Amino acid sequence: SQQGEEDPQALSIQEGENATMNCSYKTSINNLQWYRQNSGRGLVHLILIRSNEREKHSGRLRVTLDTSKKSSSLLITASRAADTASYFCATDQAGTALIFGKGTTLSVSS
Amino acid sequence: GAGVSQTPSNKVTEKGKYVELRCDPISGHTALYWYRQSLGQGPEFLIYFQGTGAADDSGLPNDRFFAVRPEGSVSTLKIQRTERGDSAVYLCASSLGQGNEQFFGPGTRLTVL
Repeated sequence: SQQGEEDPQALSIQEGENATMNCSYKTSINNLQWYRQNSGRGLVHLILIRSNEREKHSGRLRVTLDTSKKSSSLLITASRAADTASYFCATDQAGTALIFGKGTTLSVSS
Repeated sequence: GAGVSQTPSNKVTEKGKYVELRCDPISGHTALYWYRQSLGQGPEFLIYFQGTGAADDSGLPNDRFFAVRPEGSVSTLKIQRTERGDSAVYLCASSLGQGNEQFFGPGTRLTVL
């Protein structure tokens, strides 16, 4: 079963615009991780945010976590064509398995 | 440093055959995970190793699937009597331990004809 649900399923923007993707989950978590995947192969780890954190930044990426609403968001600022990919949130409930959503497909056109 | 590697990158087999998929984790990572990803879906957990032992195998779909990690490093996922429904990308990940970032390999695309 998949705990996380990303929204929207697909997003198309122009280069330079910001992209926001949301993730909702169902049960309490230890941490939440965001990944990027190109062409259906390996996942690239973007950010891990722990349950006692509310916001983290990494370069052009900003992740927020609201445990009361069981939701997280990933913001990519000043997007580039190279950001075109699928983005997944994954929740870690017990320190073992990650539970992934179905992902958001981001398309950035120049 | 080197990331997680997986071999082969692609495997085509016939229904009923046996296959082995290999994962080399990042050096020093004690935790190793196997996931399976079908087209249009997120990865689904199969099994987790801490050291040599399978700490959580709750994601293995049935007893045709088995995984080992005899020396606490390289792991092999074994699938017996393959079925067409086993076709997917099999992903391996490793981490420093529970609750840490999981780093994924490029995956093995398994096609069962």
